[in-house]
Parts: sequence; C-alpha cells; structure tokens
Amino acid sequence: DAGVIQSPRHEVTEMGQEVTLRCKPISGHDYLFWYRQTMMRGLELLIYFNNNVPIDDSGMPEDRFSAKMPNASFSTLKIQPSEPRDSAVYFCASSPPAGGGIQYFGAGTRLSVL
Amino acid sequence: GNSVTQMEGPVTLSEEAFLTINCTYTATGYPSLFWYVQYPGEGLQLLLKATKADDKGSNKGFEATYRKETTSFHLEKGSVQVSDSAVYFCALNFGNEKLTFGTGTRLTIIP
Repeated sequence: DAGVIQSPRHEVTEMGQEVTLRCKPISGHDYLFWYRQTMMRGLELLIYFNNNVPIDDSGMPEDRFSAKMPNASFSTLKIQPSEPRDSAVYFCASSPPAGGGIQYFGAGTRLSVL
Repeated sequence: GNSVTQMEGPVTLSEEAFLTINCTYTATGYPSLFWYVQYPGEGLQLLLKATKADDKGSNKGFEATYRKETTSFHLEKGSVQVSDSAVYFCALNFGNEKLTFGTGTRLTIIP
C-alpha cells in the first residue's frame, strides 16, 4: 500500500486566500484524523472522522477551518480566509477498524501564509 | 481529563550512550500506551505499544514497560545511533481511536 497520501506537500499563499489540503487514507481504514503541528503549540488534533462521519471537531480553531470526507478515500481540510498564524505543518492520519490507537501518518503539508 | 507528560527536551547524547525519555500519564482507567517517532521531514510513525500493565513494548532496540503503579511508560535504548535522532512522542488511548499525545521530546545523537 502507498500509505496515507497528502497533497500538496508545500503550499505558500497570501493572507486572505482560500487553502485546501487533501488527504487519501489507506484503503480499508475507517478512521481519519487531521492534525496541526507548530513549534509553539506542538501537535494538535483538529478533527477526526469515522466511516466518513465527523466524530469530534472540538480542535478546529475557528469557523475559518472546515473539513469534509465525501467518501472513504478522500478528505479535505479548508481554511478560508487564511491568516499568517495558520502557518504550520498539517498531517492527515488514518487507522484501521479496531486499530487500537495505531495511526498511520502522511508526510504532511507545510503551509506558509504570507 | 486524560493527559501525558514527557520530559522536556531537547536531549543530546553521544553515539552508543544509554537513552531514557520519561513519560507519565494521567487517566481514569487503564489506557493503552504508545511511543511514536517523527524523523525529520516526516509524519509520525508507531515505534512501540503496550496495552496492559507490566506489558513491555519493543522495537528497533527501544523498550518501554507499562507501569501501572507509577503511571509511567519510559522509553529506553541501550546504545543509541545517529539515525535515532528524531522527535519522540508518548501517547495514550482508550480504544476510541483518538490518541492523547505528549508534547514530544527532541533527541539529537552526536557521532
């Protein structure tokens, strides 16, 4: 399997622009997680899905952030409008049924908002 | 709530030194415990896990033992290599798939 695939790997945008990050989980996995990592705040869980349904979005920082999972093989994290403080590395991870806490992470998207 | 506390980094060691990274947890009940590792420029990956008290997880020369009495899961390796340089995260979960991570400990090994 190719693992969790995230795109793009790097994104540079200007403040106020819309940003869309994409994730393809491992086939057969039924949990999908979005994380944000910064030096100041460390690793933060933003939202996670089970069988394409959002289970916990309490980590989403504000209304500018939204996430969708239209099917089992694709998820997006959208920021609109983007702000410089959104600059971070965003990770997607997936987990198999009854995975018992074992998550498989993608390589991440490094977002820079100028 | 549940939480994980790791020793502050960064940690710098010479090659072949003994490594310990401390991890303690606070939780209601008996969680599963994990160590994840993040190499430079990559996502996290599972290093080892333990699911019940006194279990020892091991992988790539690393070990950690689930200590219920001290609520700890310290990571150890007898002889570190330059390739072990990475950030190490301790984490817990209760089977709902959501992980609670510690803040991470950056390890640098000097040749």
